[in-house]
Amino acid sequence: SQQGEEDPQALSIQEGENATMNCSYKTSINNLQWYRQNSGRGLVHLILIRSNEREKHSGRLRVTLDTSKKSSSLLITASRAADTASYFCATALYGGSQGNLIFGKGTKLSVKP
Amino acid sequence: ETGVTQSPTHLIKTRGQQVTLRCSSQSGHNTVSWYQQALGQGPQFIFQYYREEENGRGNFPPRFSGLQFPNYSSELNVNALELDDSALYLCASSLGSSGVYEQYFGPGTRLTVT
Repeated sequence: SQQGEEDPQALSIQEGENATMNCSYKTSINNLQWYRQNSGRGLVHLILIRSNEREKHSGRLRVTLDTSKKSSSLLITASRAADTASYFCATALYGGSQGNLIFGKGTKLSVKP
Repeated sequence: ETGVTQSPTHLIKTRGQQVTLRCSSQSGHNTVSWYQQALGQGPQFIFQYYREEENGRGNFPPRFSGLQFPNYSSELNVNALELDDSALYLCASSLGSSGVYEQYFGPGTRLTVT
């Protein structure tokens, strides 16, 4: 079953605009990770935020985590056409020795030049 | 590039056949996880191998099996292929088995079952 649910399912913006994607999950997590996937190829790791962190930045990416609401958001600032891809959130559950990731269905981002 | 490689890139098989997919983990990583991604969906966890032993399994039938070798590379075997097995198969390697470690994904193998 899929724990994470991204919202919106699809997003179309103009180059230079900001893009915000949201993710909700159901159970306690160790961390939450965001990945990018171009045209059905491999997943590229963007950022990992731990359950005791509230915000994290990496270049043009900003991720927030609200464990009380079991939600996270990914903000891409000043978007570029090259940001066109599908974005997935994935959660690593709290505890245990096995760290499989549980993915949502993704947000398909289209950035028009 | 993550340093995780997968082979082959694409594969076409007939229903009922068997297939083996291969994954080479990033240097220094002792854990490999396999995921199945159907079209339009997020990846789903198949199983994980840690130091050559299966260390957890998702909701997949026994005809999905795997191996991990002493160099930590891994194989995914699928027997009695069904049409619904058509998907992108992704492997990911990590420094350890627990969820605290980042997973680095390979480019995937696209399997088509006809």
